[in-house]
Amino acid sequence: DTAVSQTPKYLVTQMGNDKSIKCEQNLGHDTMYWYKQDSKKFLKIMFSYNNKELIINETVPNRFSPKSPDKAHLNLHINSLELGDSAVYFCASSIQEGQGEETQYFGPGTRLLVL
Amino acid sequence: AQKVTQAQTEISVVEKEDVTLDCVYETRDTTYYLFWYKQPPSGELVFLIRRNSFDEQNEISGRYSWNFQKSTSSFNFTITASQVVDSAVYFCALGGTYKYIFGTGTRLKVLA
Repeated sequence: DTAVSQTPKYLVTQMGNDKSIKCEQNLGHDTMYWYKQDSKKFLKIMFSYNNKELIINETVPNRFSPKSPDKAHLNLHINSLELGDSAVYFCASSIQEGQGEETQYFGPGTRLLVL
Repeated sequence: AQKVTQAQTEISVVEKEDVTLDCVYETRDTTYYLFWYKQPPSGELVFLIRRNSFDEQNEISGRYSWNFQKSTSSFNFTITASQVVDSAVYFCALGGTYKYIFGTGTRLKVLA
C-alpha cells in the first residue's frame, strides 16, 4: 500500500509545453507539500496546502499552479516549461501542520527533464 | 532566520567503519523539531528520525545513533559498522511552519 504516490515517475518534454504531475496520499493527512530538488540535490519547498487551502507559495513563478481538489490530492501544473524547470519534484504529506513538528512523508518523486 | 548546514558534501568510508554526519542548525524558536532523511540511489526520501528541542537524550536504533546538543546547535548522525547499503545522500532538516528547511545533504559512499 503506497502511502504517497506520484504520477508520472518520469516526464520528458519540450520547452514551452504544459505538463501536470499528480500526487495522492492515503494516510488521511491534512497537509500536503511540493518540493523541488535541483541537480545539486538541494531540496526546497514550493507550496504547502492545508485542508485544500494554500498556505505557502515560496516565490515560485506563477507558471506553476498547484491544485488540491480534496485533502488527499495535490496536483502540480506547469505552464510554458523552461529548461530550468528540469528537476525532481517531490510531493509530501503530514498530519495537520503546526509549528514544524509533524513528520512529512514523501512520494517517490517525479523526474522532469525539459529539452 | 532558520538555516541548516551540512558542511560535509561527501564522505567515503570502507565497509565496517563508523561514520558521523554533521548537522548544524539555526533557529530563534525555543521549540523546534529536527529530522533526518535518507535518499538512496533509487531516489526516494526515507524518514529516519524526528527529535524535538526538549529531548536531548541521544537515540540509538540498531546501527544508527543521533547526538543532539542544543549548546552547539547540532544534531549529528552516526552509523556504526557501515555497510554498502548505507550509501546514500543524507539530509538533515529543521521543521518550520508548514515546511521543512533542508540542509544541502551529505553524500555517503561506503566502499566494499
